[in-house]
Amino acid sequence: GAVVSQHPSWVICKSGTSVKIECRSLDFQATTMFWYRQFPKQSLMLMATSNEGSKATYEQGVEKDKFLINHASLTLSTLTVTSAHPEDSSFYICSAKGLAGPTDTQYFGPGTRLTVL
Amino acid sequence: GNSVTQMEGPVTLSEEAFLTINCTYTATGYPSLFWYVQYPGEGLQLLLKATKADDKGSNKGFEATYRKETTSFHLEKGSVQVSDSAVYFCALTLSDSWGKFQFGAGTQVVVTP
Repeated sequence: GAVVSQHPSWVICKSGTSVKIECRSLDFQATTMFWYRQFPKQSLMLMATSNEGSKATYEQGVEKDKFLINHASLTLSTLTVTSAHPEDSSFYICSAKGLAGPTDTQYFGPGTRLTVL
Repeated sequence: GNSVTQMEGPVTLSEEAFLTINCTYTATGYPSLFWYVQYPGEGLQLLLKATKADDKGSNKGFEATYRKETTSFHLEKGSVQVSDSAVYFCALTLSDSWGKFQFGAGTQVVVTP
């Protein structure tokens, strides 16, 4: 079946540094990818919608200058957390929608755990 | 706005017990409904889905029926196993923003031998 990968699976960084997280659709092309964050023992909250070749659409309350999203190809979207702070520590999950049509199944990546010291 | 409400956990059961996790929703349009499962340390996996009223989704012994009249999509399994221990998320997405999910808070299920 379709697979979505994320890299890295976990990362620890110092406060003030930037971290890039990759989301790849391995065996299908994804016109749209979504980025979520999940705090411990909480649900997933949508951060932004990433469309190939265009600017991402951010949900209300999400700082677009802090969470930079680039969807450079049909198989890759990246989320860069800029000037990370401890409150950015979270589990970041991407999902990808294929080209098959509006009701195509959404596939979720395994997530990236970010810890900011 | 759209929202999903599911019962709080943790739900602790003995093996072979009957499991029900309640899920209700509010939506401005006609949503498709999903149950996702998250095993410890892993990402979300689609468990089952239903795209219109009265549809029943089923997989691995789990079932859920899309009830428009009660705006519900309760998850059931007749006989749980220890391997069913996980966090279960109810979610919806609308046809005009497909893939943009609204998730419930998640329900942790613990099955003991």
